[in-house]
Amino acid sequence: DVKVTQSSRYLVKRTGEKVFLECVQDMDHENMFWYRQDPGLGLRLIYFSYDVKMKEKGDIPEGYSVSREKKERFSLILESASTNQTSMYLCAVSGLAGSSYNEQFFGPGTRLTVL
Amino acid sequence: GNSVTQMEGPVTLSEEAFLTINCTYTATGYPSLFWYVQYPGEGLQLLLKATKADDKGSNKGFEATYRKETTSFHLEKGSVQVSDSAVYFCALSWGYSSASKIIFGSGTRLSIRP
Repeated sequence: DVKVTQSSRYLVKRTGEKVFLECVQDMDHENMFWYRQDPGLGLRLIYFSYDVKMKEKGDIPEGYSVSREKKERFSLILESASTNQTSMYLCAVSGLAGSSYNEQFFGPGTRLTVL
Repeated sequence: GNSVTQMEGPVTLSEEAFLTINCTYTATGYPSLFWYVQYPGEGLQLLLKATKADDKGSNKGFEATYRKETTSFHLEKGSVQVSDSAVYFCALSWGYSSASKIIFGSGTRLSIRP
């Protein structure tokens, strides 16, 4: 089974703090994704990465950055957290040889509250 | 552009009732279509998928048929259980590489009464 772990289930931060959300996969998936999930809006793609040190902007990258120094780890960074970044953040992976080419596997999510 | 529209929730049903959650899409070309499910406190997991017109995806008693003529992919189950209570997301993906992005609908919360 694919295992995608996220560093925290719940996180509370203050406005202006720098926030790191970590995602780690235990298999050799090429691609990793960060989404945010908000009621009534579904999931929106923030950034994704298709290889180590490679990144692509998604639909809502403003206020976020990412880092992928190793294949198994993909970090989402909020340089200066704001209250409108309070949300559920979901990490996903895809692209394991032999798996469905576009099926994504998700982590449990991090619920971030910015006060 | 590509988009997915699904019925708003919440949907509340009694156990053993018939379920339909509507989903329509707008896309160029021939996207793949998915239903994902999110149980309380968990991430999303793939429920079923269809990759071409007239394909039927099925899993755990749920079914959905890829209807290109009506651009729809409605989710159905003949007899729901309390354990089916979750949020359901319709989604589409286009392209043929594993880096293909997925567009999700807004989600439909389903609650089943015993």
